[in-house]
Amino acid sequence: DVVMTQSPLSLPVTLGQPASISCRSSQSLVYSDGNTYLNWFQQRPGQSPRRLIYMVSNRDSGVPDRFTGSGSGTDFTLKISRVEAEDVGVYYCMQGTRWPWTFGQGTKVEIK
Amino acid sequence: EVQLVESGGGLVQPGGSLRLSCAASGFTFSTYWMTWVRQAPGKGLECVANIKQDGSEKYYVDSVKGRFTISRDNAKNSLYLQMNSLRAEDTAVYYCARETRALSHWGQGTMVTVSS
Repeated sequence: DVVMTQSPLSLPVTLGQPASISCRSSQSLVYSDGNTYLNWFQQRPGQSPRRLIYMVSNRDSGVPDRFTGSGSGTDFTLKISRVEAEDVGVYYCMQGTRWPWTFGQGTKVEIK
Repeated sequence: EVQLVESGGGLVQPGGSLRLSCAASGFTFSTYWMTWVRQAPGKGLECVANIKQDGSEKYYVDSVKGRFTISRDNAKNSLYLQMNSLRAEDTAVYYCARETRALSHWGQGTMVTVSS
């Protein structure tokens, strides 16, 4: 299985400051169709996961533009330009290139 | 608005069975792959199974192969997960999600507890 490794696992951030989460895969996530199926999800406390970013850098409808996804191959990043209180939660990267799809361990974002 | 509503969870003894359902609305169900994802208490996420639009292709994570069966009824806009020979390690919230490679929408989940 493809192993997804996130860092850091805990991320205390001051309101208004930027935050960055790294996600690395054990194999290239480029699929035979040329697409890279790397997604980012946010799970707020007590809620279901919500997709923020799909195929590395495509922001979902309704997702604030302070969230940005980037990367290629095996190395990916989710950046929050200015953290707001509503961003508290756990963030997961997930690969949909090789079954079984696998998630990173999750990064817990909290306010300092 | 896309809606996915899971049901069927509960407490079951080890070795027992349970059938989960997911009622879909707000989109053309028959045109999407569908996926079941689970989350053990306080843990991360694991994709369990997925199914093609017409049910002709199904894939399972190794830990549930031979015990779980995913199915769908496009006429009823419903997705199912039949879980047999349940183990303590199957205890989790089970979510259904639309699509397969990108899991665009998720339900609220249904809790399955396997315990004697």
